[in-house]
Amino acid sequence: GAVVSQHPSWVICKSGTSVKIECRSLDFQATTMFWYRQFPKQSLMLMATSNEGSKATYEQGVEKDKFLINHASLTLSTLTVTSAHPEDSSFYICSARDSGTSYNEQFFGPGTRLTVL
Amino acid sequence: DAKTTQPTSMDCAEGRAANLPCNHSTISGNEYVYWYRQIHSQGPQYIIHGLKNNETNEMASLIITEDRKSSTLILPHATLRDTAVYYCIVRVINNDMRFGAGTRLTVKP
Repeated sequence: GAVVSQHPSWVICKSGTSVKIECRSLDFQATTMFWYRQFPKQSLMLMATSNEGSKATYEQGVEKDKFLINHASLTLSTLTVTSAHPEDSSFYICSARDSGTSYNEQFFGPGTRLTVL
Repeated sequence: DAKTTQPTSMDCAEGRAANLPCNHSTISGNEYVYWYRQIHSQGPQYIIHGLKNNETNEMASLIITEDRKSSTLILPHATLRDTAVYYCIVRVINNDMRFGAGTRLTVKP
């Protein structure tokens, strides 16, 4: 099946710094990518949807100035957590939609665990 | 997209079939039923999906009732590695994937 990678797989940073997470579709083109956040013992929550070459659409309650999303190519989307604080510590998961299939399948990356000290 | 209801948790003996139910009584005609699972600290893994016919692949079988108001995911011979949270999601093809609480399946030796 299609592969989505994320980098880094985990990151620890100090409060107030910014962290960038990359999401790549390795063997397909993805015009649409999604970013999710998952707190311990909770389900995945959709943060935003990004379409290649246009601005991301954020879910209600997600600060667009704090979580910067760039989808500059058909295989790469980045999420930058700006001025991170301990409450931003979470498991961030990206997903990419394979627009080349009849069902527009959505594939998920392995996740990035962010810990803000 | 229609809402789904799943049991919070289930146990299954290793080697036996695991049957995971999902209720989606408000499903509409153009909504598909998808199943994903998430093993601890990993991203969700696609299992199977269907519209109205039963489906089978190398991982599992999906049984959808005739009225499409419920479905069952069947893992025919559960192994310890099948321990995970299983998510049943109903969506129209081009809509984004939104997750409920899922069912925590524990396969026991």
